[in-house]
Amino acid sequence: DAGVIQSPRHEVTEMGQEVTLRCKPISGHDYLFWYRQTMMRGLELLIYFNNNVPIDDSGMPEDRFSAKMPNASFSTLKIQPSEPRDSAVYFCASTGEGWFDGYTFGSGTRLTVV
Amino acid sequence: AQSVTQLDSQVPVFEEAPVELRCNYSSSVSVYLFWYVQYPNQGLQLLLKYLSGSTLVKGINGFEAEFNKSQTSFHLRKPSVHISDTAEYFCAVEGAQKLVFGQGTRLTINP
Repeated sequence: DAGVIQSPRHEVTEMGQEVTLRCKPISGHDYLFWYRQTMMRGLELLIYFNNNVPIDDSGMPEDRFSAKMPNASFSTLKIQPSEPRDSAVYFCASTGEGWFDGYTFGSGTRLTVV
Repeated sequence: AQSVTQLDSQVPVFEEAPVELRCNYSSSVSVYLFWYVQYPNQGLQLLLKYLSGSTLVKGINGFEAEFNKSQTSFHLRKPSVHISDTAEYFCAVEGAQKLVFGQGTRLTINP
């Protein structure tokens, strides 16, 4: 398996623009997680899905952020409109039976909003 | 709620020296603990995990960790580090069916 695949690896956008981050989990994994990593706040869980259904979105910072999982092999995280404080590395992770299997992380998307 | 505290934000050591990265947890129920490693410009990867059984857990790359319930700790150790161990290390605890991560410890190896 190619692992968890995220795209793009790097994204630079202007404030106010819409940004879409993409994730393909490992085939057969039922759980998908979106994390944000910054120097100031560390790793923050934004949202997670189980069988394509959002289970906990309490970490989504505000209404500008939205996430979808239309099928078992694809998820998106959208920021609209983007702001400079959204600059971070965004990670997607997936796991099969739940937390006790450990998560497999993607390589991340480094987002810079100027 | 479950949480972890990594006591050191940075740990510098010399190559071939031993290292210990400290992690304390807070949990009111059964404890499941993990260590992850993040190499520069990469995602996190699982080093080892404690779910039950032996309190000494061995992981990849020669790392091991010991679960200590009385001290609520799960410290990560390696007897002899290499330059290639330079990375950030994250302790995590299961909470409400998801992992809660610590702030990370940056391990720097000096030649």
